[in-house]
Amino acid sequence: GAGVSQSPSNKVTEKGKDVELRCDPISGHTALYWYRQRLGQGLEFLIYFQGNSAPDKSGLPSDRFSAERTGESVSTLTIQRTQQEDSAVYLCASSSRGRGYGYTFGSGTRLTVV
Amino acid sequence: TQLLEQSPQFLSIQEGENLTVYCNSSSVFSSLQWYRQEPGEGPVLLVTVVTGGEVKKLKRLTFQFGDARKDSSLHITAAQPGDTGLYLCAGPWYNNNDMRFGAGTRLTVKP
Repeated sequence: GAGVSQSPSNKVTEKGKDVELRCDPISGHTALYWYRQRLGQGLEFLIYFQGNSAPDKSGLPSDRFSAERTGESVSTLTIQRTQQEDSAVYLCASSSRGRGYGYTFGSGTRLTVV
Repeated sequence: TQLLEQSPQFLSIQEGENLTVYCNSSSVFSSLQWYRQEPGEGPVLLVTVVTGGEVKKLKRLTFQFGDARKDSSLHITAAQPGDTGLYLCAGPWYNNNDMRFGAGTRLTVKP
């Protein structure tokens, strides 16, 4: 597509439920990133996919968080047993050249855990 | 502690004023990027600076990379309400193979 597409744009869920967030990167972009942005804060790195290489999961905050990406296509970020501290905007970005170069971000998914 | 410290955290000015925001680190970066983020949207890349001492201009915005590649500044001349947003700096962090972001400067330009 022309840009990075994320869905849903907003998600309200009850504490303890699982949620799945989706990111559709720009076609041909080999690198895909997930970030979390809490209210009034900067971006917190979660996970990085580069082509068919093993993903860098070093930013995932707990084992409740997982992400998948098939090849160079869509990625899903799953949060199990959501907690109130998971409330944030989850941003996805893709890049044609990997780290160190400009990212194109999606508009994010605003997750609210009640 | 943030790897990239941005200041000020908040800035509110009148249309037509000039301003400078800063991005500082104790670490050396191969490059730094500046993004602007508007409410409800993802950050949008403004510029990448890669050479120590480099100055880049985009219309009324001037970006500078420090000689030691540890800091950068963004200067806006004659600010307009359309400049309102969260300005983020970011740099590649090789240990974790990711881009590290500062917490941002939230700029409000009042008409």
